[in-house]
Amino acid sequence: GAVVSQHPSWVICKSGTSVKIECRSLDFQATTMFWYRQFPKQSLMLMATSNEGSKATYEQGVEKDKFLINHASLTLSTLTVTSAHPEDSSFYICSAGDSSSGNTIYFGEGSWLTVV
Amino acid sequence: QKEVEQDPGPLSVPEGAIVSLNCTYSNSAFQYFMWYRQYSRKGPELLMYTYSSGNKEDGRFTAQVDKSSKYISLFIRDSQPSDSATYLCAMIKGGGYQKVTFGIGTKLQVIP
Repeated sequence: GAVVSQHPSWVICKSGTSVKIECRSLDFQATTMFWYRQFPKQSLMLMATSNEGSKATYEQGVEKDKFLINHASLTLSTLTVTSAHPEDSSFYICSAGDSSSGNTIYFGEGSWLTVV
Repeated sequence: QKEVEQDPGPLSVPEGAIVSLNCTYSNSAFQYFMWYRQYSRKGPELLMYTYSSGNKEDGRFTAQVDKSSKYISLFIRDSQPSDSATYLCAMIKGGGYQKVTFGIGTKLQVIP
C-alpha cells in the first residue's frame, strides 16, 4: 500500500529553538497533506491542511506563525515548530491522500516532540 | 453533540473472540468511512476503507456501513493479542481531500 514517511520519529529540543518535521509520500504524489497533533489518550486534532504550491489552511486556534507549513513539492510537506515551548511537546502526525486509490488517506508514523 | 461518537472503552476480550467496534455519526454528508488501528506511540494504520452501505471484508476484518442509521462497525474475527490497539473510526464528507473527522478511538485489549 501507499506509504507516508515522517522524519524524525523522535526529537528533543531546547525551549526557544525551532524544530522541523518532514512528511513524505513515498510512492504517490500528494497535492494535499494534513498535519495533526495528538495528546495522550485523545484523538487526532487537525492543525492545518497543506496545499502544494500555496499557503496552508490553518484550523481555528492554531497559530500559523508558530507552526510554519511548507509544501514545496508533490511529495514533501514540512512542519516547523518555531520558538518551541514545553507546551508544544506532543505527537505530530501527517497524512496524505492517494488519488490513485480514491480518497484513501494514509498516515505517517508520527513524530514525538519533547521540548525541554 | 459531536459529529462522530465512539465509545473509548477500554474493551477487553479473550483471544479468539469476535470483537465489535462501533461509531455513530450525526451528519448525513459523510460519504467515506475508514477504520484505522493505532498502536501506542505510532501513527494510525489504515485497516478498512468503505463508501457504500453494506459489508466489506478483508481477512479477519469486516467493515459494515449503515447510512440510513448513520452507524458503522468494524468486526474482528479470531482476535489475537497483536490486535490490542486503539481503533479509530474516521469519515470524510465528500470527494477530494477534505478534512477527516475522527472518533475518539476505542482501546482494545485481547487477553491471551
